[in-house]
Amino acid sequence: ELKVEQNPLFLSMQEGKNYTIYCNYSTTSDRLYWYRQDPGKSLESLFVLLSNGAVKQEGRLMASLDTKARLSTLHITAAVHDLSATYFCAVEPDSSYKLIFGSGTRLLVRP
Amino acid sequence: ETGVTQTPRHLVMGMTNKKSLKCEQHLGHNAMYWYKQSAKKPLELMFVYSLEERVENNSVPSRFSPECPNSSHLFLHLHTLQPEDSALYLCASSQDLPSTDTQYFGPGTRLTVL
Repeated sequence: ELKVEQNPLFLSMQEGKNYTIYCNYSTTSDRLYWYRQDPGKSLESLFVLLSNGAVKQEGRLMASLDTKARLSTLHITAAVHDLSATYFCAVEPDSSYKLIFGSGTRLLVRP
Repeated sequence: ETGVTQTPRHLVMGMTNKKSLKCEQHLGHNAMYWYKQSAKKPLELMFVYSLEERVENNSVPSRFSPECPNSSHLFLHLHTLQPEDSALYLCASSQDLPSTDTQYFGPGTRLTVL
């Protein structure tokens, strides 16, 4: 059974701090996606990672992919309140066009 | 309008009603998707269409019936739903299948089945 596991599921952190969200998956894949969802809103694409070793950065967020370890990380640098949201990773297994989503990490950044 | 739009945004229906959800994408994409987002489950893929042909039916109950009349429009017809079908239904599109780009999601329809 294909599994995509995120941890932590809930993260409360102070503004200015750094933290990392982890996404582990159980199938071979070299395509991984990160999305953000604000309460009551749809999913917004953050990063598309398409190869082993891929690293992408946008503002205070940086995502990386290690296909050998079947692991992606989303690193938050100097968090600000506006980053409060739920973050999902999604894996596209090899030879498939399905996206398998993790359960999401709900991030709360406190002043 | 730009991106992916969905109507209605909110829907309350009884178990004997028939209703339809509509999705329209203005991105020139060839693939469209229906997802279900429940409170306590990961996002679940329901249906996938590529160039108006269904390529995936992910063991979805027959009370959900998709329709893709053209590459810009996708419908989800609902009939005799159950309370456990209450969820956020998200439509998405991507350039092609398989996609080397992300999927673009609509705002969703919040469905409540009484």
